[in-house]
Amino acid sequence: GAVVSQHPSRVICKSGTSVKIECRSLDFQATTMFWYRQFPKKSLMLMATSNEGSKATYEQGVEKDKFLINHASLTLSTLTVTSAHPEDSSFYICSAREFFKGVPSPLHFGNGTRLTVT
Amino acid sequence: AQSVAQPEDQVNVAEGNPLTVKCTYSVSGNPYLFWYVQYPNRGLQFLLKYITGDNLVKGSYGFEAEFNKSQTSFHLKKPSALVSDSALYFCAVRVPDFGSSNTGKLIFGQGTTLQVKP
Repeated sequence: GAVVSQHPSRVICKSGTSVKIECRSLDFQATTMFWYRQFPKKSLMLMATSNEGSKATYEQGVEKDKFLINHASLTLSTLTVTSAHPEDSSFYICSAREFFKGVPSPLHFGNGTRLTVT
Repeated sequence: AQSVAQPEDQVNVAEGNPLTVKCTYSVSGNPYLFWYVQYPNRGLQFLLKYITGDNLVKGSYGFEAEFNKSQTSFHLKKPSALVSDSALYFCAVRVPDFGSSNTGKLIFGQGTTLQVKP
């Protein structure tokens, strides 16, 4: 089945530094990847839609200069949290959909990245 | 606006008993509906989907869900719960794509914690 690899699984960084999270589709091509943030109360918030070769589409309220998304190839999207602060501590999850298959295909999710900013 | 509601924060069942996790939706147009499961500190795993056709959809691990258009519901069910089914369950809806880009965001419910006791 389709596998999405997300790295790192855990990262601890100091306030003010930047952190990059990678999301790779291992056995399929993904023209579109989605980045979610999961809060302690469980809910998943869509942050942005990442399109290969073009700019990401950010959801309302998400700072694009703070959460930089790059989708340079059909198998890799990266999320960089710039100048991280403790309030950015969260669980970040990426997901990808296989290239157009004619019917709505399910999203495949990475295992998430637990970011802790001290 | 599209939305998904999971009215129960937690569902408790005894092992061997049937389980139901509720989901209702509000979308314009025909909905594409999904259920995902999340284990601690992991990404989401796809369980099943409804696109069209039979209202009763069978998915992974013995789960099934029933699409009810008149009640705008898509409840997740399993005839006999296992302790290993204990996890966080998300219902999601995707508005159909009309272009060839095959993007389409998933809107998630708040999540329901399923606790199966031996």
